[in-house]
Amino acid sequence: EAGVTQFPSHSVIEKGQTVTLRCDPISGHDNLYWYRRVMGKEIKFLLHFVKESKQDESGMPNNRFLAERTGGTYSTLKVQPAELEDSGVYFCASSQNLQETQYFGPGTRLLVL
Amino acid sequence: AQSVTQPDIHITVSEGASLELRCNYSYGATPYLFWYVQSPGQGLQLLLKYFSGDTLVQGIKGFEAEFKRSQSSFNLRKPSVHWSDAAEYFCAVVPRGSQGNLIFGKGTKLSVKP
Repeated sequence: EAGVTQFPSHSVIEKGQTVTLRCDPISGHDNLYWYRRVMGKEIKFLLHFVKESKQDESGMPNNRFLAERTGGTYSTLKVQPAELEDSGVYFCASSQNLQETQYFGPGTRLLVL
Repeated sequence: AQSVTQPDIHITVSEGASLELRCNYSYGATPYLFWYVQSPGQGLQLLLKYFSGDTLVQGIKGFEAEFKRSQSSFNLRKPSVHWSDAAEYFCAVVPRGSQGNLIFGKGTKLSVKP
């Protein structure tokens, strides 16, 4: 069984540009989470989908971030326009049910110059 | 305030020595407790978790953790460290009744000396 995959693995963009990160969860997992770790800080929750619905987006930093999960399968996280402080590692995780193990992808390392 | 604390940012141990990584939490009700590991270039991998029951939890790769309610702690241990254990370790909680999002400590980076 394939694990959680994320694309791209790395992205280097300039301030003001747009970047779209993609996450493919484990097949059959209804719950999909996005997390972020900025340099020197702890990993922080961004948002949670249950199927295609946003269950909790309390961790989204501002309206430059837009997450979607069309059809309840893969998810995208778009940052537009990117700022320097958006640099970090963006993780995606999925789980079958709430409070069950979340399986993490390898992360996307985003650098905004 | 609710929080997860890993007091050690970086620990170095010799190969074959024992290891204990500390984790304390501050929540009204005991949350669900987890330890994850991130090896260089890899994603986060679950080592073990505690929901209820036996307070000594066995995980993968020879790790175990002990839940101590009186100390609000969930420390990770391994009796004999291998060079391949060099990684960053994260303690995390899911508050009971929440939507399941993990709240992480800042992580402890483990270096292993030959």
